[in-house]
Amino acid sequence: DAKTTQPTSMDCAEGRAANLPCNHSTISGNEYVYWYRQIHSQGPQYIIHGLKNNETNEMASLIITEDRKSSTLILPHATLRDTAVYYCIVRVDRVGYNQGGKLIFGQGTELSVKP
Amino acid sequence: GAVVSQHPSWVICKSGTSVKIECRSLDFQATTMFWYRQFPKQSLMLMATSNEGSKATYEQGVEKDKFLINHASLTLSTLTVTSAHPEDSSFYICSAREKTGQYYEQYFGPGTRLTVT
Repeated sequence: DAKTTQPTSMDCAEGRAANLPCNHSTISGNEYVYWYRQIHSQGPQYIIHGLKNNETNEMASLIITEDRKSSTLILPHATLRDTAVYYCIVRVDRVGYNQGGKLIFGQGTELSVKP
Repeated sequence: GAVVSQHPSWVICKSGTSVKIECRSLDFQATTMFWYRQFPKQSLMLMATSNEGSKATYEQGVEKDKFLINHASLTLSTLTVTSAHPEDSSFYICSAREKTGQYYEQYFGPGTRLTVT
C-alpha cells in the first residue's frame, strides 16, 4: 500500500472550514484514499473515501487532484468536537485485489479546533 | 454504520498473567478482523490479520506466541496477551471488515486499555 504524508498538526477556528492536506504521490490506480479520525482514547471513526472523483457526505468533503497524488479533506464548519487526529490512508478496496488492502496508519494530523 | 464492540473496555492485570480481549461485530458478519496496538502519543500499529476459521497472519515483529488470536466465528475474534509484562501496556483496537458487494467496509471497535502492573 502507498504511503501518505500529512502535516503533524493544524489549528482551526471554530465555525471556519478546516482543510487537511495529504500527499500520496506513489498511489496506484486501484488504490482508494480513505480518511479516518481518532478522538482521544477512542477507536478510529470513518469519515469519507474516494478513488478519483470529489466526494461529499454529511461529515466532510474530499477533494482529490486530477493526478491523484494529493487530496484535501474539508470540514466545512469545524466545531470543538472535531478536535482529533485525522488519518489519510490509501489502500486497495475492491474484492479480488489481494482480498482488499490493509489499513496502515501513518502519524496523521492533529487538528485543534479553537473557540 | 455497523457496530464493533470490544470487551473489556479496560483491564488491569499483574505481570505474568494472561488477558483475553474480545471483539464482536454486532450487526454484520466480518470476513476479516484486524488487531491494532497504540502506545501513548503514537499512531495505530497493525499487529495481525485474521480470517474466520484460519490462522492469523502477524505483522513483522509481532510475536505470535505472545499475542494469540482466535477468529472462531464471523462475529467474534479474541486476542489473548500471554504472560503479560508492563511493556505490553497499551491501547488495543480491533477492526472488522465486511464485504458489501464488490467492495469492503471496515469498522473499528472502541478499544481496550490494558495496564500491566
